[in-house]
Amino acid sequence: GNSVTQMEGPVTLSEEAFLTINCTYTATGYPSLFWYVQYPGEGLQLLLKATKADDKGSNKGFEATYRKETTSFHLEKGSVQVSDSAVYFCALSVIGSQGNLIFGKGTKLSVKP
Amino acid sequence: ETGVTQTPRHLVMGMTNKKSLKCEQHLGHNAMYWYKQSAKKPLELMFVYNFKEQTENNSVPSRFSPECPNSSHLFLHLHTLQPEDSALYLCASSQGGTSTDTQYFGPGTRLTVL
Repeated sequence: GNSVTQMEGPVTLSEEAFLTINCTYTATGYPSLFWYVQYPGEGLQLLLKATKADDKGSNKGFEATYRKETTSFHLEKGSVQVSDSAVYFCALSVIGSQGNLIFGKGTKLSVKP
Repeated sequence: ETGVTQTPRHLVMGMTNKKSLKCEQHLGHNAMYWYKQSAKKPLELMFVYNFKEQTENNSVPSRFSPECPNSSHLFLHLHTLQPEDSALYLCASSQGGTSTDTQYFGPGTRLTVL
């Protein structure tokens, strides 16, 4: 079946530290991959996405590369800010799934000044 | 108003009550979704509507009943719920219902069932 596994949180970093949140997937079809972010008290917002192998999604200093050989889509940011504190969700959608997004459990990130 | 809105933002109901959640999207999208977000569990897709037609029902109990009168509005009718149904219910929309489409989420309705 289709599934997403992302690293357990919470993750606590100091401001300007380097961030990596690991995400691996299992898919029966050819998936599109997404990172969504949820700030406290809000719904999910798309952070970035990639729809084919070797694509790199990027937004707000965050990056993730679609690695088919390792079935991974790790999220990285070179220098985090306090405002990046949120819950990050990795997700996939496969062709023919009617847009069914399958999410990981989420990783809570706290950035301290 | 822009984006995806949901009302109410918070709802407390007894197990014998009947209530409805409302979602409205102002993005001109053709697909709408209901998700359930429970503590310690991944987000779960509940229903998908594409051009007002239900295209996915992810084994959701019949005490949850969706309604999509047009492409801009989506309702979730609730009746005889259980305490384990307490969760954040998120609505989303996308331009189409394909795997590459970005879904845009509303802020959610925090539901508590007593």
